[in-house]
Amino acid sequence: GNSVTQMEGPVTLSEEAFLTINCTYTATGYPSLFWYVQYPGEGLQLLLKATKADDKGSNKGFEATYRKETTSFHLEKGSVQVSDSAVYFCALRDDKIIFGKGTRLHILP
Amino acid sequence: KAGVTQTPRYLIKTRGQQVTLSCSPISGHRSVSWYQQTPGQGLQFLFEYFSETQRNKGNFPGRFSGRQFSNSRSEMNVSTLELGDSALYLCASSLDPSSHEQFFGPGTRLTVL
Repeated sequence: GNSVTQMEGPVTLSEEAFLTINCTYTATGYPSLFWYVQYPGEGLQLLLKATKADDKGSNKGFEATYRKETTSFHLEKGSVQVSDSAVYFCALRDDKIIFGKGTRLHILP
Repeated sequence: KAGVTQTPRYLIKTRGQQVTLSCSPISGHRSVSWYQQTPGQGLQFLFEYFSETQRNKGNFPGRFSGRQFSNSRSEMNVSTLELGDSALYLCASSLDPSSHEQFFGPGTRLTVL
């Protein structure tokens, strides 16, 4: 069946560092891909999405490109802030949303 | 526009009891999905409702059930609670099942003692 694999956390970085969180997927067909973010004590918020191959989703300085050839959707940000500390989930949607396990990100001032 | 609301936010029950959680979607959204979030299993899909009909169901036992009303509000019920049912239950709404984007509520934190 379809699945999403993302890098284990926690990931700890200093403020202004470059961030990459890896995500790969297994799917039949061409699902839509998403990154969601969960801040402490809150529900999930959609961070960005891509609905077809080579699409680039971007929001709040974060970017991810839908790579069909490598079945990947890695999340990147050039300069992280303390306020980016949260749990990040990679997900795909075919007839339902399937989430990765989540990656906890800590940004140190 | 108000977001997805879930009630109650916190709940404590004992083993063997049953519980009902409520979700009100964003106005105009007709599709509601439910997820269970635990530290060990992560986010797992429970079921999706659209136009008062269950469209999809995850791999959970029959103790987990749900329904959707004509105003798109949804409830989920868990009977004969087990310790392992302790989790954050998240509801998400979208315009319809083909919509790419789902909007999540804050969740209901269920603790089973």
